[in-house]
Amino acid sequence: NAGVTQTPKFRVLKTGQSMTLLCAQDMNHEYMYWYRQDPGMGLRLIHYSVGEGTTAKGEVPDGYNVSRLKKQNFLLGLESAAPSQTSVYFCASSFPVPGLISGNTIYFGEGSWLTVV
Amino acid sequence: LAKTTQPISMDSYEGQEVNITCSHNNIATNDYITWYQQFPSQGPRFIIQGYKTKVTNEVASLFIPADRKSSTLSLPRVSLSDTAVYYCLVGDDAAGNKLTFGGGTRVLVKP
Repeated sequence: NAGVTQTPKFRVLKTGQSMTLLCAQDMNHEYMYWYRQDPGMGLRLIHYSVGEGTTAKGEVPDGYNVSRLKKQNFLLGLESAAPSQTSVYFCASSFPVPGLISGNTIYFGEGSWLTVV
Repeated sequence: LAKTTQPISMDSYEGQEVNITCSHNNIATNDYITWYQQFPSQGPRFIIQGYKTKVTNEVASLFIPADRKSSTLSLPRVSLSDTAVYYCLVGDDAAGNKLTFGGGTRVLVKP
């Protein structure tokens, strides 16, 4: 059971280049999230998805796009990379049980380190 | 979504008990309280979750008073390997809420 897998783990981009981060989960989770974490800071939510084919904006969505074409995959795209997007990106997933009021346990990937020069 | 407030950092020594309190004054009826631990260069991982009163597992205890406006994560007899950032989250999963993390509490365990 791999859990949440992110690719690539490390990437260096030049300003203006584009790239896509891939997140895959094998837990059949409905919800998926993309966070970024700058050095010494907490996590900030970029975009999230509550199901296949749906996406929504989080706290810091500008400069990023996402897609959830398949339930198990959540892609994060950088349209035109900027140095301010240098960060560690974490993907996460969770599975709410419809109709059951419960807490939301989030499972995280190991992170993708992105440097924009 | 309930906003949370926790101390920025705490220092402790090996073998001591560490208690981290999180304030969440506007917690909603359906909200649960969840704590995560993050080591450097890793994603956060689930520690413990509760709704009210006290919850205990093999890693920690979570104390929640009757008014649920705060909660305290208790780490018994910490070791150097407990040095990490601890995040408190409050929310529920029923409506696909945007789960946001605060800055967390940096716990440094000294020898």
